[in-house]
Amino acid sequence: GIQVEQSPPDLILQEGANSTLRCNFSDSVNNLQWFHQNPWGQLINLFYIPSGTKQNGRLSATTVATERYSLLYISSSQTTDSGVYFCATPRSGAGSYQLTFGKGTKLSVIP
Amino acid sequence: DADVTQTPRNRITKTGKRIMLECSQTKGHDRMYWYRQDPGLGLRLIYYSFDVKDINKGEISDGYSVSRQAQAKFSLSLESAIPNQTALYFCATSRDRLGYTFGSGTRLTVV
Repeated sequence: GIQVEQSPPDLILQEGANSTLRCNFSDSVNNLQWFHQNPWGQLINLFYIPSGTKQNGRLSATTVATERYSLLYISSSQTTDSGVYFCATPRSGAGSYQLTFGKGTKLSVIP
Repeated sequence: DADVTQTPRNRITKTGKRIMLECSQTKGHDRMYWYRQDPGLGLRLIYYSFDVKDINKGEISDGYSVSRQAQAKFSLSLESAIPNQTALYFCATSRDRLGYTFGSGTRLTVV
């Protein structure tokens, strides 16, 4: 099955700083999603980004499917951005809906 | 009310006991999933169901069973709990590739 690797595993930022999180995948994908897990454990879907770039407020994501990676940008970070960020893609097949997750990037934003 | 509700939120049980985790949804989605999260490992798929009559094993189904009682209900059972099943369990639903919704999780501790 497809392998999903995220980097860095841990990141500490000063409030207001920008950051880039990376997700590499071992095979071509047509479905790439980013999730945020807040410190209370809740998982929130941030982006569905099989290719191209999307923006939502201070967050944006870019997927370059031909080079098998996706990036999540966080600008002007806030303490509420803390938590774990996961990327995920279907295990196999264009019609698959079962997600394979990376191990996550744990982000800590300090005041 | 939450779109995807998991009960209980927290549970401590003894080795060898049978335990059921329940999930109900108001999204009207056909697809439901059970994932397990362990520290540093991301989320891994236990079972998934595309409708009431369709149940499929995920990558780590050993030691678990599921029941899809209705479109809105999907339960996960541990027939004989063991300590390495201590984890955070998530139920999720999806309509298609875009619309994943996760429950708030059940933190299970097996002692």
